[in-house]
Amino acid sequence: SQQGEEDPQALSIQEGENATMNCSYKTSINNLQWYRQNSGRGLVHLILIRSNEREKHSGRLRVTLDTSKKSSSLLITASRAADTASYFCAIRKVGGSNYKLTFGKGTLLTVNP
Amino acid sequence: GAGVSQSPRYKVTKRGQDVTLRCDPISSHATLYWYQQALGQGPEFLTYFNYEAQPDKSGLPSDRFSAERPEGSISTLTIQRTEQRDSAMYRCASSRDREETQYFGPGTRLLVL
Repeated sequence: SQQGEEDPQALSIQEGENATMNCSYKTSINNLQWYRQNSGRGLVHLILIRSNEREKHSGRLRVTLDTSKKSSSLLITASRAADTASYFCAIRKVGGSNYKLTFGKGTLLTVNP
Repeated sequence: GAGVSQSPRYKVTKRGQDVTLRCDPISSHATLYWYQQALGQGPEFLTYFNYEAQPDKSGLPSDRFSAERPEGSISTLTIQRTEQRDSAMYRCASSRDREETQYFGPGTRLLVL
Protein backbone atom coordinates (compact mmCIF):
# COMPACT_ATOMS: atom_id res chain seq x y z
CA SER A 1 0.00 0.00 0.00
CA GLN A 2 1.18 3.51 -0.71
CA GLN A 3 1.67 5.57 2.41
CA GLY A 4 2.73 8.84 0.87
CA GLU A 5 0.22 10.93 -0.97
CA GLU A 6 1.18 13.81 -3.21
CA ASP A 7 -0.96 16.81 -3.90
CA PRO A 8 -1.84 18.01 -6.45
CA GLN A 9 -1.98 15.01 -8.79
CA ALA A 10 -1.11 17.29 -11.71
CA LEU A 11 0.25 20.81 -12.01
CA SER A 12 0.77 22.95 -15.09
CA ILE A 13 2.74 26.20 -14.92
CA GLN A 14 4.65 28.61 -17.16
CA GLU A 15 8.41 28.64 -17.38
CA GLY A 16 9.87 30.92 -14.73
CA GLU A 17 7.07 30.34 -12.23
CA ASN A 18 7.51 28.44 -8.99
CA ALA A 19 6.00 24.99 -8.48
CA THR A 20 4.94 23.63 -5.11
CA MET A 21 4.07 20.00 -4.46
CA ASN A 22 2.93 18.53 -1.18
CA CYS A 23 3.24 15.11 0.37
CA SER A 24 1.33 13.70 3.32
CA TYR A 25 2.02 10.44 5.13
CA LYS A 26 0.66 8.44 8.02
CA THR A 27 3.48 6.84 10.02
CA SER A 28 6.57 7.88 11.94
CA ILE A 29 9.46 8.36 9.60
CA ASN A 30 13.23 8.21 9.64
CA ASN A 31 13.50 10.42 6.58
CA LEU A 32 11.56 11.60 3.54
CA GLN A 33 12.95 11.76 0.04
CA TRP A 34 11.86 13.32 -3.23
CA TYR A 35 12.47 11.69 -6.59
CA ARG A 36 11.90 12.87 -10.16
CA GLN A 37 10.85 10.60 -13.00
CA ASN A 38 11.22 11.85 -16.56
CA SER A 39 9.41 10.18 -19.41
CA GLY A 40 11.34 7.08 -20.41
CA ARG A 41 13.97 7.45 -17.71
CA GLY A 42 14.61 6.10 -14.27
CA LEU A 43 13.85 7.66 -10.93
CA VAL A 44 16.38 10.30 -10.00
CA HIS A 45 17.01 11.11 -6.34
CA LEU A 46 16.58 14.83 -5.67
CA ILE A 47 16.82 15.46 -1.96
CA LEU A 48 16.56 13.75 1.42
CA ILE A 49 15.31 15.40 4.59
CA ARG A 50 15.67 13.69 7.96
CA SER A 51 12.96 13.64 10.60
CA ASN A 52 14.88 16.08 12.81
CA GLU A 53 15.26 18.62 9.99
CA ARG A 54 12.69 21.23 9.03
CA GLU A 55 14.03 22.65 5.80
CA LYS A 56 16.61 21.78 3.21
CA HIS A 57 17.84 23.42 0.01
CA SER A 58 19.53 22.08 -3.08
CA GLY A 59 19.96 24.47 -5.99
CA ARG A 60 16.47 25.54 -7.08
CA LEU A 61 14.83 22.99 -4.79
CA ARG A 62 13.52 23.70 -1.32
CA VAL A 63 12.02 20.98 0.84
CA THR A 64 10.21 21.46 4.13
CA LEU A 65 9.11 18.83 6.62
CA ASP A 66 6.52 19.15 9.36
CA THR A 67 6.51 15.91 11.35
CA SER A 68 3.66 17.12 13.60
CA LYS A 69 1.43 17.41 10.53
CA LYS A 70 3.08 14.47 8.79
CA SER A 71 3.61 16.50 5.67
CA SER A 72 6.34 17.77 3.37
CA SER A 73 6.50 20.18 0.49
CA LEU A 74 8.81 20.48 -2.49
CA LEU A 75 9.27 23.92 -4.03
CA ILE A 76 10.96 24.32 -7.40
CA THR A 77 11.83 27.93 -8.07
CA ALA A 78 12.22 29.57 -11.49
CA SER A 79 10.97 26.46 -13.26
CA ARG A 80 12.26 25.35 -16.66
CA ALA A 81 10.73 23.22 -19.38
CA ALA A 82 13.26 20.54 -18.44
CA ASP A 83 11.63 20.28 -15.00
CA THR A 84 8.62 18.64 -16.65
CA ALA A 85 8.39 15.25 -14.94
CA SER A 86 6.57 13.26 -12.29
CA TYR A 87 7.70 13.97 -8.74
CA PHE A 88 7.38 11.36 -6.01
CA CYS A 89 7.86 11.56 -2.30
CA ALA A 90 9.11 8.44 -0.57
CA ILE A 91 9.23 7.78 3.14
CA ARG A 92 11.59 5.62 5.10
CA LYS A 93 9.74 4.45 8.17
CA VAL A 94 11.10 4.09 11.65
CA GLY A 95 11.61 0.51 12.75
CA GLY A 96 12.50 -2.87 11.38
CA SER A 97 11.64 -2.25 7.75
CA ASN A 98 13.56 0.99 7.50
CA TYR A 99 15.39 -0.26 4.41
CA LYS A 100 12.41 0.05 2.11
CA LEU A 101 11.02 3.20 0.58
CA THR A 102 7.27 3.71 0.45
CA PHE A 103 6.30 5.96 -2.44
CA GLY A 104 3.29 8.11 -3.12
CA LYS A 105 1.43 8.22 -6.43
CA GLY A 106 3.31 11.28 -7.63
CA THR A 107 2.59 14.75 -8.97
CA LEU A 108 2.82 15.27 -12.72
CA LEU A 109 4.42 18.68 -13.32
CA THR A 110 4.23 20.28 -16.74
CA VAL A 111 6.28 23.42 -17.35
CA ASN A 112 5.18 25.22 -20.48
CA PRO A 113 7.79 27.21 -22.43
CA GLY B 1 29.58 0.43 -13.02
CA ALA B 2 28.63 4.07 -13.42
CA GLY B 3 24.98 3.49 -12.62
CA VAL B 4 22.34 0.84 -12.21
CA SER B 5 21.49 -0.92 -15.45
CA GLN B 6 18.57 -3.17 -16.27
CA SER B 7 17.78 -5.45 -19.17
CA PRO B 8 15.79 -5.80 -21.21
CA ARG B 9 14.31 -2.31 -21.28
CA TYR B 10 11.10 -3.63 -22.81
CA LYS B 11 9.63 -7.10 -22.77
CA VAL B 12 6.45 -8.27 -24.45
CA THR B 13 5.34 -11.78 -23.62
CA LYS B 14 2.30 -13.98 -23.87
CA ARG B 15 0.28 -14.98 -20.87
CA GLY B 16 1.62 -18.16 -19.33
CA GLN B 17 5.24 -17.62 -20.38
CA ASP B 18 8.08 -17.18 -17.92
CA VAL B 19 10.17 -14.01 -17.98
CA THR B 20 13.47 -13.12 -16.34
CA LEU B 21 14.55 -9.55 -15.75
CA ARG B 22 18.11 -8.58 -14.95
CA CYS B 23 19.61 -5.87 -12.76
CA ASP B 24 23.24 -4.84 -12.64
CA PRO B 25 23.76 -2.58 -9.59
CA ILE B 26 26.46 -0.04 -8.87
CA SER B 27 29.50 -2.20 -8.22
CA SER B 28 30.28 -1.04 -4.67
CA HIS B 29 26.70 -1.35 -3.45
CA ALA B 30 25.79 -4.05 -0.98
CA THR B 31 22.05 -3.63 -1.08
CA LEU B 32 19.75 -4.19 -4.05
CA TYR B 33 16.01 -3.63 -4.27
CA TRP B 34 13.24 -4.59 -6.67
CA TYR B 35 10.12 -2.46 -7.05
CA GLN B 36 7.01 -2.80 -9.23
CA GLN B 37 5.42 0.32 -10.64
CA ALA B 38 1.97 0.25 -12.20
CA LEU B 39 0.96 2.97 -14.63
CA GLY B 40 0.09 6.18 -12.81
CA GLN B 41 1.36 4.89 -9.48
CA GLY B 42 4.53 5.11 -7.48
CA PRO B 43 6.91 2.17 -7.16
CA GLU B 44 5.98 -0.55 -4.68
CA PHE B 45 8.55 -2.62 -2.83
CA LEU B 46 8.91 -6.26 -3.88
CA THR B 47 12.07 -7.56 -2.24
CA TYR B 48 15.64 -6.69 -1.35
CA PHE B 49 19.07 -8.26 -1.00
CA ASN B 50 21.95 -7.53 1.29
CA TYR B 51 24.81 -9.04 -0.70
CA GLU B 52 23.40 -12.48 -1.58
CA ALA B 53 21.05 -12.72 1.38
CA GLN B 54 17.37 -11.95 0.81
CA PRO B 55 16.03 -10.84 4.19
CA ASP B 56 12.65 -9.62 2.99
CA LYS B 57 10.53 -10.86 0.13
CA SER B 58 7.23 -9.87 1.68
CA GLY B 59 6.33 -7.59 -1.24
CA LEU B 60 6.37 -10.32 -3.86
CA PRO B 61 2.73 -10.59 -5.02
CA SER B 62 2.65 -14.36 -5.38
CA ASP B 63 4.83 -17.45 -5.44
CA ARG B 64 5.13 -17.00 -9.21
CA PHE B 65 7.62 -14.22 -8.43
CA SER B 66 11.16 -15.03 -7.32
CA ALA B 67 14.45 -13.19 -7.21
CA GLU B 68 18.09 -14.21 -6.92
CA ARG B 69 21.42 -12.58 -6.32
CA PRO B 70 23.72 -15.61 -6.07
CA GLU B 71 27.08 -13.82 -6.02
CA GLY B 72 25.99 -10.63 -4.33
CA SER B 73 26.17 -8.51 -7.49
CA ILE B 74 23.83 -9.04 -10.47
CA SER B 75 20.25 -9.93 -9.61
CA THR B 76 17.42 -11.50 -11.58
CA LEU B 77 13.68 -11.29 -11.05
CA THR B 78 11.72 -14.17 -12.54
CA ILE B 79 7.98 -14.25 -13.08
CA GLN B 80 6.60 -17.67 -13.90
CA ARG B 81 3.36 -18.27 -15.78
CA THR B 82 2.88 -14.57 -16.40
CA GLU B 83 -0.56 -13.03 -16.16
CA GLN B 84 -1.87 -9.80 -17.67
CA ARG B 85 -1.94 -8.16 -14.24
CA ASP B 86 1.86 -8.57 -14.08
CA SER B 87 2.19 -5.87 -16.75
CA ALA B 88 4.11 -3.03 -15.13
CA MET B 89 7.45 -1.27 -14.93
CA TYR B 90 9.92 -3.25 -12.84
CA ARG B 91 12.56 -1.10 -11.21
CA CYS B 92 15.80 -2.08 -9.58
CA ALA B 93 17.73 0.13 -7.17
CA SER B 94 20.96 -0.23 -5.23
CA SER B 95 22.51 1.50 -2.24
CA ARG B 96 25.77 1.26 -0.31
CA ASP B 97 23.90 -0.16 2.63
CA ARG B 98 20.29 -0.52 3.61
CA GLU B 99 19.93 2.95 5.07
CA GLU B 100 21.63 4.92 2.33
CA THR B 101 20.18 6.67 -0.71
CA GLN B 102 18.78 4.28 -3.30
CA TYR B 103 19.84 4.78 -6.92
CA PHE B 104 17.40 3.51 -9.50
CA GLY B 105 17.93 1.94 -12.89
CA PRO B 106 15.89 2.81 -16.00
CA GLY B 107 13.47 -0.04 -15.41
CA THR B 108 12.07 -2.87 -17.50
CA ARG B 109 8.62 -2.32 -18.94
CA LEU B 110 6.81 -5.65 -19.08
CA LEU B 111 3.70 -6.17 -21.16
CA VAL B 112 1.84 -9.44 -20.86
CA LEU B 113 -0.60 -10.07 -23.71
